[in-house]
Amino acid sequence: QSALTQPRSVSGSPGQSVTISCTGTSSDVGGYKYVSWYQQHPGKAPKVMIYDVSKRPSGVPDRFSGSKSGNTASLTISGLQAEDEADYYCCSYAGIYTVSFGGGTRLTVL
Amino acid sequence: QLQLQESGPGLVKPSEALSLTCTVSGGSISSSSFYWAWIRQPPGKGLEWIGSISYSGSAYYNPSLKSRVTISVDTSKTRFSLNLSSVTAADTAVYHCARASLIGMVFDPWGQGTLVTVSS
Repeated sequence: QSALTQPRSVSGSPGQSVTISCTGTSSDVGGYKYVSWYQQHPGKAPKVMIYDVSKRPSGVPDRFSGSKSGNTASLTISGLQAEDEADYYCCSYAGIYTVSFGGGTRLTVL
Repeated sequence: QLQLQESGPGLVKPSEALSLTCTVSGGSISSSSFYWAWIRQPPGKGLEWIGSISYSGSAYYNPSLKSRVTISVDTSKTRFSLNLSSVTAADTAVYHCARASLIGMVFDPWGQGTLVTVSS
């Protein structure tokens, strides 16, 4: 069970769009429709932003969207806002009630 | 509104066991629709799933920690616990508890987390 691969950092200006990738294998990302994304601000607990690849929990802005192709999942944030600056983690179901997290991506809003 | 709160020692000596408890309030721990999980985050690093347990006691662990981890549940007291044996400095982390959906293992909500430092 290995960690999923995410870019260490991404950045964008307010109003722009950014996409964060999350690459796994056929045993996790590619094998299930259960990828979730978490946002974490410094000193805070993570918050789920996307689940089941592309579903948004109630209260999450529709600027956040998720997708998957093969072994790679993606989180896209459109219309970047200052409050979107945070760390983002992907997480994939990996079978038999186990999961793998990505290493995390630091999003900087320029 | 469901809330989770971690508790336990903030300092543990190397080679000893780390024990934490997560108390659940505002809802029932005895639901077949959810698992209850522990997740940790070393300072400045990413999230690592430790393991999850159902209300009936079925537990699943991260293979990399499986030999040292035990998660248990006390439904009468609406809490679940983590025991990690033979700790080293590498186990220093913020430990979070969270509720996990049965389908897809989505973690929500999370406890605020508690820092455990392994040091003599």
